Amino acid sequence: AQSVTQLDSQVPVFEEAPVELRCNYSSSVSVYLFWYVQYPNQGLQLLLKYLSGSTLVESINGFEAEFNKSQTSFHLRKPSVHISDTAEYFCAVTTNRDDKIIFGKGTRLHILP
Amino acid sequence: GAVVSQHPSRVICKSGTSVKIECRSLDFQATTMFWYRQFPKQSLMLMATSNEGSKATYEQGVEKDKFLINHASLTLSTLTVTSAHPEDSSFYICSANTGLEAFFGQGTRLTVV
Repeated sequence: AQSVTQLDSQVPVFEEAPVELRCNYSSSVSVYLFWYVQYPNQGLQLLLKYLSGSTLVESINGFEAEFNKSQTSFHLRKPSVHISDTAEYFCAVTTNRDDKIIFGKGTRLHILP
Repeated sequence: GAVVSQHPSRVICKSGTSVKIECRSLDFQATTMFWYRQFPKQSLMLMATSNEGSKATYEQGVEKDKFLINHASLTLSTLTVTSAHPEDSSFYICSANTGLEAFFGQGTRLTVV
C-alpha cells in the first residue's frame, strides 16, 4: 500500500518570500503524484500533477513541484508567495489512474503581511 | 474542465435523522466515484468507493450500514448518513475521475444537533 507524508502541518511565510512544502511518499510500485489546494469550506482543486515524463511540473499560478524518485519526494515550491496563496495544500498519490487517491495530512500555508 | 457538483453544501439535522448528499458529474460519466470525510484541520479520509451498478467498496472501519452509498447512474452517486449523531458532524467530499485527473465536489458541511 502507498502512503504520503507531509512533515509540516503549518508553514508561515512572509508575503513575496519563497516557500517549499514538503511531501514524501512510499510505494512499492510506480506512482502518480498530485498537489491539491483547498480554500476554506471548499472542495479540492488540482494544483499540479506528475504522471510521467519531465520530473518538474508547473502550475499556472507560479507553483512547481519536482518528482524525485531516489528521495521519494514531490516537494511543492513557489519563488514568491501572495496573500491569495493562503490555503491548505494536500499532497496525494495513486498507483492507478482510475484508482483511489491517498492524501497526506495537509500543510496550512499561512502568509504573513 | 470537468465539473463535479455536490449538494447540499451545508445541512443541519437533528440527531437520529438521516441525511442524503448527492454527487453529480455534470459533463462526464463516472463509473467510479469516491467519498471522503474531512475532520477540522485534518486530511481527507477515504470512506468508500462508489461503483455504478454494483455495491460500494468501504474502507476499513467505515460502517456500511450507517453510510449508505448508491450509484444508480453514470452521473450520480449519493451518500446517506443514517441515524445521524453529533459525532457524524464533518465535511464530506466526493470526487470522480476522468482521464488523468480527479475532480472534487464543493463539499457538504454536515452538522448534527
